[in-house]
Amino acid sequence: DAGVIQSPRHEVTEMGQEVTLRCKPISGHNSLFWYRQTMMRGLELLIYFNNNVPIDDSGMPEDRFSAKMPNASFSTLKIQPSEPRDSAVYFCASSFEVGETQYFGPGTRLLVL
Amino acid sequence: GEDVEQSLFLSVREGDSSVINCTYTDSSSTYLYWYKQEPGAGLQLLTYIFSNMDMKQDQRLTVLLNKKDKHLSLRIADTQTGDSAIYFCAEKRGSARQLTFGSGTQLTVLP
Repeated sequence: DAGVIQSPRHEVTEMGQEVTLRCKPISGHNSLFWYRQTMMRGLELLIYFNNNVPIDDSGMPEDRFSAKMPNASFSTLKIQPSEPRDSAVYFCASSFEVGETQYFGPGTRLLVL
Repeated sequence: GEDVEQSLFLSVREGDSSVINCTYTDSSSTYLYWYKQEPGAGLQLLTYIFSNMDMKQDQRLTVLLNKKDKHLSLRIADTQTGDSAIYFCAEKRGSARQLTFGSGTQLTVLP
């Protein structure tokens, strides 16, 4: 079975550019989570969706960040405009309702110059 | 997750047992998890335990839960160099869907 798929795996961009990160959850999972991992802050939950609906976006740092889930098999996290402090590894995870065990994707390593 | 605490570092000799500890504060936690993160990789679920259990064993892994003290531990028997990684504990609180993660423990296995 394919796990959670994220793309791109690596992204290098310049400050001010728009960045779009993509995630395909495990088929049949109805919850999707976006996390950010940095050395300073560790693993932070940014936002999560249930049945494609955003449930809690209190972790989204500011208005420059937005996330969408147009259907059960796809989600995007967009940063516009990007800043150097956004450099981090961004993980997507998904879970099935029963048990709620989260399965993580490989992450997108973002570097904003 | 300030509410989930772990030691930052642990070093053990190859072949010894490793014990990674975690404390949490929310008594409504229903599930507690251990994830492993190898360098440059995502988080891999190792095991989890229901809050009504005291212990769970899975091959070389033993999870102990002390609900009274809100203490969770992961014991790795016969630790190997391939076990070197960061280990995260996480809790699921009540009906919440999200997990609260600790800061991770960097396990280094020395030859």
